[in-house]
Amino acid sequence: KQEVTQIPAALSVPEGENLVLNCSFTDSAIYNLQWFRQDPGKGLTSLLLIQSSQREQTSGRLNASLDKSSGRSTLYIAASQPGDSATYLCAVRSGSNNNDMRFGAGTRLTVKP
Amino acid sequence: SQTIHQWPATLVQPVGSPLSLECTVEGTSNPNLYWYRQAAGRGLQLLFYSVGIGQISSEVPQNLSASRPQDRQFILSSKKLLLSDSGFYLCAWSEGYRGLNYGYTFGSGTRLTVV
Repeated sequence: KQEVTQIPAALSVPEGENLVLNCSFTDSAIYNLQWFRQDPGKGLTSLLLIQSSQREQTSGRLNASLDKSSGRSTLYIAASQPGDSATYLCAVRSGSNNNDMRFGAGTRLTVKP
Repeated sequence: SQTIHQWPATLVQPVGSPLSLECTVEGTSNPNLYWYRQAAGRGLQLLFYSVGIGQISSEVPQNLSASRPQDRQFILSSKKLLLSDSGFYLCAWSEGYRGLNYGYTFGSGTRLTVV
């Protein structure tokens, strides 16, 4: 059974710092990996979707990489801003059933002005 | 473009009362639909998913039920709420017949407090 782990659980950085969030998964046979952002009391907003055949995806200051063989993904945030403060979740889609999306517990990021 | 609507945003209900949360998707056909619950400080728990009208799969035994009366409508219900039903409920959709290479899109969530 696929398990998804996110480290660290919480991270606090000063504004302007570049940072990396980590996601690991136990089964490398995946279809895709998705990074989400969740603000307090809100739904999940999709940030980046990486297919199993891809190595990375970029959107603005965000870059997500995927190393399927080692079961790892990283979300790189450049020049962090207070508005980046949120919980970031990693989710892995594997298996052929429609319920095979597994979520990590998330990393709560605080960017201090 | 596709959009997902979920309502209400917040709900306070007494123990033993019924529940109905609604989710609709626009701009797509035959989506896969999902209900998740997120308890405070905990991860996302899949409650139900549906691959078509009237087709509901339950992930965990519980006090809740789901229905899909129309292709793009997904409803979460309960006949009698328990205190333990409190939480943040999220609806999501993904492409159905196109396969597994698409991601999930979530609604804005419903904060349910059972008192």
